[in-house]
Amino acid sequence: AQKITQTQPGMFVQEKEAVTLDCTYDTSDPSYGLFWYKQPSSGEMIFLIYQGSYDQQNATEGRYSLNFQKARKSANLVISASQLGDSAMYFCAMREGTGANSKLTFGKGITLSVRP
Amino acid sequence: NAGVMQNPRHLVRRRGQEARLRCSPMKGHSHVYWYRQLPEEGLKFMVYLQKENIIDESGMPKERFSAEFPKEGPSILRIQQVVRGDSAAYFCASSLRVHYEQYFGPGTRLTVT
Repeated sequence: AQKITQTQPGMFVQEKEAVTLDCTYDTSDPSYGLFWYKQPSSGEMIFLIYQGSYDQQNATEGRYSLNFQKARKSANLVISASQLGDSAMYFCAMREGTGANSKLTFGKGITLSVRP
Repeated sequence: NAGVMQNPRHLVRRRGQEARLRCSPMKGHSHVYWYRQLPEEGLKFMVYLQKENIIDESGMPKERFSAEFPKEGPSILRIQQVVRGDSAAYFCASSLRVHYEQYFGPGTRLTVT
């Protein structure tokens, strides 16, 4: 089974509107972390937001928030007040466990296009 | 505070040559990770290193690929006898401690002709 699933092929949003990018995950480990990264056309990977499995509240970072629904194993990224510069690929990633294993497993990504 | 540095940004190699990719982590970070991104794909983990030690190499191909992170100097990902299938973007990330956020470098785009 895929550990991280991002099934939306491509998303379009009007500038200044909010958009939700979906991510579901699969793990049997009770301790894990979920991450979102942005990859603009220039290619670099930009860290956006982190949610720990034991965090009581949903993570927020500026215009980014993470809608964490543990029972559904979903960790959707919400971008409020979209800007043209938000057009990029967005990757959801997971780290499992608390030991020496700290590698990230990535989904295939979602393309977001912001329309003026 | 400079971010993660990778060089070269672009590398072209002929089949059979060696590719050396360098990564300097963020200042104070001693944990380094290498990932590979094929076109239209997400990143795939290759190897995790701390200073002078390989912690997890479960994502590394068994042959031709090696990585090191010496006490002094950058981490090096080496690919010997490159083949066309090695063409990809190779990203390095670093973190302050294990399980902390990983910050990525700009990547090295390897093209094998």
